[in-house]
Amino acid sequence: NAGVTQTPKFRVLKTGQSMTLLCAQDMNHEYMYWYRQDPGMGLRLIHYSVGEGTTAKGEVPDGYNVSRLKKQNFLLGLESAAPSQTSVYFCASSREGLEGGELFFGEGSRLTVL
Amino acid sequence: GQNIDQPTEMTATEGAIVQINCTYQTSGFNGLFWYQQHAGEAPTFLSYNVLDGLEEKGRFSSFLSRSKGYSYLLLKELQMKDSASYLCAVVDSNYQLIWGAGTKLIIKP
Repeated sequence: NAGVTQTPKFRVLKTGQSMTLLCAQDMNHEYMYWYRQDPGMGLRLIHYSVGEGTTAKGEVPDGYNVSRLKKQNFLLGLESAAPSQTSVYFCASSREGLEGGELFFGEGSRLTVL
Repeated sequence: GQNIDQPTEMTATEGAIVQINCTYQTSGFNGLFWYQQHAGEAPTFLSYNVLDGLEEKGRFSSFLSRSKGYSYLLLKELQMKDSASYLCAVVDSNYQLIWGAGTKLIIKP
């Protein structure tokens, strides 16, 4: 079982460069999420999706865009990377909403912006 | 504002019992999760509480008191592999998940 797969696992960018993180899940889950995790802080929600073709802003959406063209994929884009976006990014999915729905996380993507 | 408080770090001995506390102040409450995260890995689900009381699952138990805004995760018969961070997260009234910064648990032989 692959579960939730993120690519790439590691990336180094220069300020101003763009990139896309890909998240794929094979569990037929409706809900997908992008989080960032920084030292000393809780996970923060960037964007999420409640189904194919839908996206919504989370707590820290600025500087990021997302797309959910296919149910199994959720893409996170950085149009012009900034050092403040250096972080570990986690994608997650869930079968149902958060009222009792467990999140399944990918292994994380470590991004460094110089 | 919304806030989840957990101790930053705890140390315990192999074979012992440890209790990790979590207190929360959120706009509403629709459940509380505990996740385990080993260094450099993804968080994995441990437990979910929505009603007051104790939920037991093997060596791990989770307790909730909604009136006190308080939960704890109890780990028994500690093993070295339990060395990890433990994340507390609360579902608020808007069904958003608010995460604590996590408690790093160090197990010593």
